[in-house]
Amino acid sequence: AQTVTQSQPEMSVQEAETVTLSCTYDTSESDYYLFWYKQPPSRQMILVIRQEAYKQQNATENRFSVNFQKAAKSFSLKISDSQLGDAAMYFCAYTSGTYKYIFGTGTRLKVLA
Amino acid sequence: DTGVSQNPRHKITKRGQNVTFRCDPISEHNRLYWYRQTLGQGPEFLTYFQNEAQLEKSRLLSDRFSAERPKGSFSTLEIQRTEQGDSAMYLCASSAPRDRGYNEQFFGPGTRLTVL
Repeated sequence: AQTVTQSQPEMSVQEAETVTLSCTYDTSESDYYLFWYKQPPSRQMILVIRQEAYKQQNATENRFSVNFQKAAKSFSLKISDSQLGDAAMYFCAYTSGTYKYIFGTGTRLKVLA
Repeated sequence: DTGVSQNPRHKITKRGQNVTFRCDPISEHNRLYWYRQTLGQGPEFLTYFQNEAQLEKSRLLSDRFSAERPKGSFSTLEIQRTEQGDSAMYLCASSAPRDRGYNEQFFGPGTRLTVL
């Protein structure tokens, strides 16, 4: 069975600094997709960034980038120039052909002014 | 496009009562998903519809839970004889037909259920 593990329950970062959130996963599939979702307090989840497993190039979206290590089954999220609005729960998610997402337990990111 | 909507946003009920939640997906999305999220955990998959067909159900979905998606539009999730362990946030998501090899799921704000 596929699993997603986020080993950092909480992280803090100073405003304007860089932070990296970790995610590892386990799967026997060769074709799959990985996502980072952001869930602000009392607000709905929104997609931050996605990565297709067949692509070697790491995905980037403005201040957000990933370090995808397929052999190591690692998928970390780097947030550069952190802003107060980045404070939220961040969930790593996996999906393959079954379409359902498998989520990690989340990392709460605090941004310090 | 107003996104995925869910009603009610909050529901407080007494143990043993039945509750029903509604999800309205993004209009052109043919896939609809239900997840449950308990405090401090990530969402867990419950069930998934493609159009009106319920294609997959998690073992988490006991026989007290039933979901429908008549006519492939909105969906309802009913919990019968609620238990305190059912207290959670129930999230709905929808996605468009598979495109470019992946399906991005768009989430609603959730319905928070509290069972007293």
